[in-house]
Amino acid sequence: QSALTQPASVSGSPGQSITISCTGTSSDVGGYNYVSWYQHHPGKAPKLMIYDVSDRPSGVSDRFSGSKSGKTASLTISGLQTEDEADYYCSSYTVSSTLVFGTGTKVTVL
Amino acid sequence: EVQLLESGGGLVQPGGSLRLSCTASGFSFSSSAMSWVRQAPGKGLEWVSAISSSGDSTSYADSVKGRFTISRDNSKKMLYLQMNSLRAEDTAVYYCAKDSRTSIWLVSLDYWGQGTLVTVSS
Repeated sequence: QSALTQPASVSGSPGQSITISCTGTSSDVGGYNYVSWYQHHPGKAPKLMIYDVSDRPSGVSDRFSGSKSGKTASLTISGLQTEDEADYYCSSYTVSSTLVFGTGTKVTVL
Repeated sequence: EVQLLESGGGLVQPGGSLRLSCTASGFSFSSSAMSWVRQAPGKGLEWVSAISSSGDSTSYADSVKGRFTISRDNSKKMLYLQMNSLRAEDTAVYYCAKDSRTSIWLVSLDYWGQGTLVTVSS
């Protein structure tokens, strides 16, 4: 149950687009289309942003989009805004019927 | 409005026990699988355990297997995490979270509580 690998930090200017990667194995990301992404502002409850690789829950801005290729999933934030500054985590269902999170990425809006 | 409220956190000595509770409201609790997720100070999110909607099935992370027990009382809309043989590395904020779908579990968590802090220290 090793954590999925994410870059520690990603930054961008307001209005730009950024992409966060999430790399796993064939036992998790590569084996299932059950990748989710969460936004976490410190001290608050995490928020589901993307599920099933690319679906958005009701109420989540369409500036957030997800995709997957092989063992790597990606979250793209378009039109970056100051309120997007937060920690982002991916997660995946695993072959062991468990859930595994990514290492987390701190997004900074310059 | 969906609400999840954790309680039961606190300071406990290594080797000790603690039971966390999560009070649910605003959704069909008995139809939803539930999870516990934790975040150690300065670290990322770590999934801990999950339980099916009926309580018949459970799943645990290797790091807590054999020490933690997840359970639920659907009549009271309550989720629990019994934590035994606690270690310093169990120190974390513990969140309860609701599965987003009823047909399959452990794929996405759509509502989370605010968390309760557990500190394991002598």
